[in-house]
Amino acid sequence: EPEVTQTPSHQVTQMGQEVILRCVPISNHLYFYWYRQILGQKVEFLVSFYNNEISEKSEIFDDQFSVERPDGSNFTLKIRSTKLEDSAMYFCASKRTTDTQYFGPGTRLTVL
Amino acid sequence: SQKIEQNSEALNIQEGKTATLTCNYTNYSPAYLQWYRQDPGRGPVFLLLIRENEKEKRKERLKVTFDTTLKQSLFHITASQPADSATYLCAATLEYGNKLVFGAGTILRVKS
Repeated sequence: EPEVTQTPSHQVTQMGQEVILRCVPISNHLYFYWYRQILGQKVEFLVSFYNNEISEKSEIFDDQFSVERPDGSNFTLKIRSTKLEDSAMYFCASKRTTDTQYFGPGTRLTVL
Repeated sequence: SQKIEQNSEALNIQEGKTATLTCNYTNYSPAYLQWYRQDPGRGPVFLLLIRENEKEKRKERLKVTFDTTLKQSLFHITASQPADSATYLCAATLEYGNKLVFGAGTILRVKS
């Protein structure tokens, strides 16, 4: 069964460094999302991406964040200058059209 | 503001019984609700989706209801097993393609 994959599973970085989180959505899906979950808290929406552009973003998704679909398979989230409060699990999700969103296993980001 | 609320207390039940989890929403008219299972350190796994014009959906031992008058969804697991122990997340969306807004989740513990 097709699934969303994410790499790396765990990323440790120093405050102020740039990180890129990578996702491979399910191949025939058209909508792509990033969510994050701080330990012990709710899953929060960050950004949605459709037709090669951002369709919606939350207030969390400020100028330090960017997304890209550099080729036909990958979907990336970049954080330019990480802060301690960016430490969280980051989930990529995708959906075909009106179907449900399928989530990846997540990347645990630890900012020291 | 739009809110999705789930029982914050853990639900402890005996194996073989039916678990019933509640999701309430306020200031919101979701087009559909989705239920996910999340195990510690893992991504949400899709279980069931129910649309606003549907009263009930079933899948194997799972059943979900959607009451737009009460602004509530109930999620049932019949003949529960210890392997059903996990956090169950309710998520809502206003329109197809839009972000999911998650509740905090309810921890279910099934004891043998």
